[in-house]
Amino acid sequence: QITLKESGPTLVKPTQTLTLTCTLSGFSVNTRGVGVGWIRQPPGKALEWLAVVYWDDDVGYSPSLKNRLTIARDPSNNQVVLTMTNMDPMDTATYYCARRPLVASGYFDYWGQGTPVTVSS
Amino acid sequence: QSALTQPRSVSGSPRQSVTISCTGSSSDVGRYNFVSWYQQQPGKAPKLIVYDVSKRPSGVPDRFSGSKSGNTAALTISGLLPEDESDYYCCSYAGDYTWVFGGGTTLTVL
Repeated sequence: QITLKESGPTLVKPTQTLTLTCTLSGFSVNTRGVGVGWIRQPPGKALEWLAVVYWDDDVGYSPSLKNRLTIARDPSNNQVVLTMTNMDPMDTATYYCARRPLVASGYFDYWGQGTPVTVSS
Repeated sequence: QSALTQPRSVSGSPRQSVTISCTGSSSDVGRYNFVSWYQQQPGKAPKLIVYDVSKRPSGVPDRFSGSKSGNTAALTISGLLPEDESDYYCCSYAGDYTWVFGGGTTLTVL
C-alpha cells in the first residue's frame, strides 16, 4: 500500500525557516523514475506547486519561490525534506507531498493527507 | 510562470454534462501532453482523476474525460451525480522540472 505522510511544525514565526518531512511507504525514493513533489494550499485558495526531487537527485523549484526552497531525498529513511526560509504570514497553508510515479510522467498519483502550517508571531 | 486559468465555478443538474476549461500557454499546456486533473473534496487531499490529458487511473469512472486543443485543456463530466460536487484543479508540466496548477473550479450539482 502506497502512502505518503507529511510532518513538521504547525506554527512558525515570521522570518523563521520551515522544515517539512514527507515519509514514504510502499515505494522507495530510490526507484528509478520516481519523484516526490510538494504542493501547498492557503486556506480557501488554490493549489500551488512548490518543488520536486527525483530518484537521481535532480530537482525543480517554483520560479517564484526558488530562492527560498530546498528539497532533498533522505534514502536511509525513505523520506523527502523540504525547507522554506524567511517564512511570512502569506505562507500559511496546508502543505502536501505527492508522488510522481514514472520516468517522463507528468502527474502526481498519490498524495499525503497534508499538514497545516500557520505563520504568526 | 503564471497559474493556469480555470472558471471559478460551474454548475449542472444531475445526469447533465459539464465541461471545465483550463487555459495555459505555449510553454505548458500547449507544449506538453502532461495535463492532469484533480478532484478535491472539502478538507481532503486532491485525488488524481485524469492524467496525460485524457487517461484515467484505475477506479475513476469513465464519466470523467479529458481533452486538449492548443493551449487549452478541458475536463468533461457526464451524467452528473451529486457526489461529483467538488473542487477541480488542472495541472500541467511546464518544463525544466516544474509544474503549474490552475486556480481551481467549484462544481455545483443543482
